[in-house]
Amino acid sequence: AQSVTQLGSHVSVSEGALVLLRCNYSSSVPPYLFWYVQYPNQGLQLLLKYTTGATLVKGINGFEAEFKKSETSFHLTKPSAHMSDAAEYFCAVSEKTSYDKVIFGPGTSLSVIP
Amino acid sequence: NAGVMQNPRHLVRRRGQEARLRCSPMKGHSHVYWYRQLPEEGLKFMVYLQKENIIDESGMPKERFSAEFPKEGPSILRIQQVVRGDSAAYFCASSPQGDVGKLFFGSGTQLSVL
Repeated sequence: AQSVTQLGSHVSVSEGALVLLRCNYSSSVPPYLFWYVQYPNQGLQLLLKYTTGATLVKGINGFEAEFKKSETSFHLTKPSAHMSDAAEYFCAVSEKTSYDKVIFGPGTSLSVIP
Repeated sequence: NAGVMQNPRHLVRRRGQEARLRCSPMKGHSHVYWYRQLPEEGLKFMVYLQKENIIDESGMPKERFSAEFPKEGPSILRIQQVVRGDSAAYFCASSPQGDVGKLFFGSGTQLSVL
């Protein structure tokens, strides 16, 4: 069965500092991996996804993530945090079967300090 | 192009009443997913539907919960005889066939059970 863990339920960074949100997964087959962002009182939006090919994936708003099979990790980074990045971030995994069942991690709340 | 529409945004019910949550997927999307989000927790998969078919309901509680996606009209998540523990945010997502894991979320329905 698939599962996702996210280290750190709350992360605070200063504006302009590096953002690093950690995600580890377990999957019995090569996974598809995703990061979603949720702003207050809104649904989730896809930031980026990894399916196959290049292990460094670039997403919207300057975010990127690297798939490391040996570490079963898919950490999300951004070189310089902006105030507007404050939100809840969810890592997710999917095993391509006959449909796309996506399993989400518990989320990490990112605060950006001016 | 309208996004995923969920209504109502907020729903208050007393214990023992029924709750009906509606979701209209994006135009052209034939796959609908329902997730439940509790405070400090991630999104928990409930059910996956296609038109007139329940594909996977492994995340649905065995009693009181049901879902449908009729040929015409929105998808409905129905909770009978609600209890306080049903209080949560319920999110609907839709996806186009073939784009793995790319879910488009609605803004959710916040269910409060008094």
